[in-house]
Amino acid sequence: SQQGEEDPQALSIQEGENATMNCSYKTSINNLQWYRQNSGRGLVHLILIRSNEREKHSGRLRVTLDTSKKSSSLLITASRAADTASYFCATGQGAQKLVFGQGTRLTINP
Amino acid sequence: DTEVTQTPKHLVMGMTNKKSLKCEQHMGHRAMYWYKQKAKKPPELMFVYSYEKLSINESVPSRFSPECPNSSLLNLHLHALQPEDSALYLCASSGTGGLRTDTQYFGPGTRLTVL
Repeated sequence: SQQGEEDPQALSIQEGENATMNCSYKTSINNLQWYRQNSGRGLVHLILIRSNEREKHSGRLRVTLDTSKKSSSLLITASRAADTASYFCATGQGAQKLVFGQGTRLTINP
Repeated sequence: DTEVTQTPKHLVMGMTNKKSLKCEQHMGHRAMYWYKQKAKKPPELMFVYSYEKLSINESVPSRFSPECPNSSLLNLHLHALQPEDSALYLCASSGTGGLRTDTQYFGPGTRLTVL
């Protein structure tokens, strides 16, 4: 399968704590993207990191990419209840082809 | 307008029915996508249209028939589906991005139940 792996599969933390999710993939990529999905709804793009970049920030999000290890991590700082969702990494594999990882279900407890 | 709309939101159909899912975007994107997502699983790519031509078909059964009438619209025609086809069907659009994979904008999905 071309799909990546994400860990943990589920993560439950207290509001205000940081959440870290990891993604590993198997093939060469042109970029890696992270998406959020609230229960049973469409996906929302969070951040894109190119294959020649190592780290990127957007608000409370920090993404790292290690192409030698074929892995990426997403850090959400100072979590809020509204961050409760499923988070998917997706690897760009050629023009217009995104392959999604298995996802991490994040629960923020008040 | 950065919205992708999908209709209907919910659809229940029998195995002998013919129905269609619709998707629309007005962002000027020239690539549009259909994904299938089962519960607690990631989205799986079904079809990609680029400049209104089918560019990727991920070996989808012929009971699913995509159509791109113009650059803003994407349809998915359904016929003789099986209960295992019940899923959330997501539409997305993006720029064509050359050789790189652009950010995709997703609609809210159609929840399909096949009885």
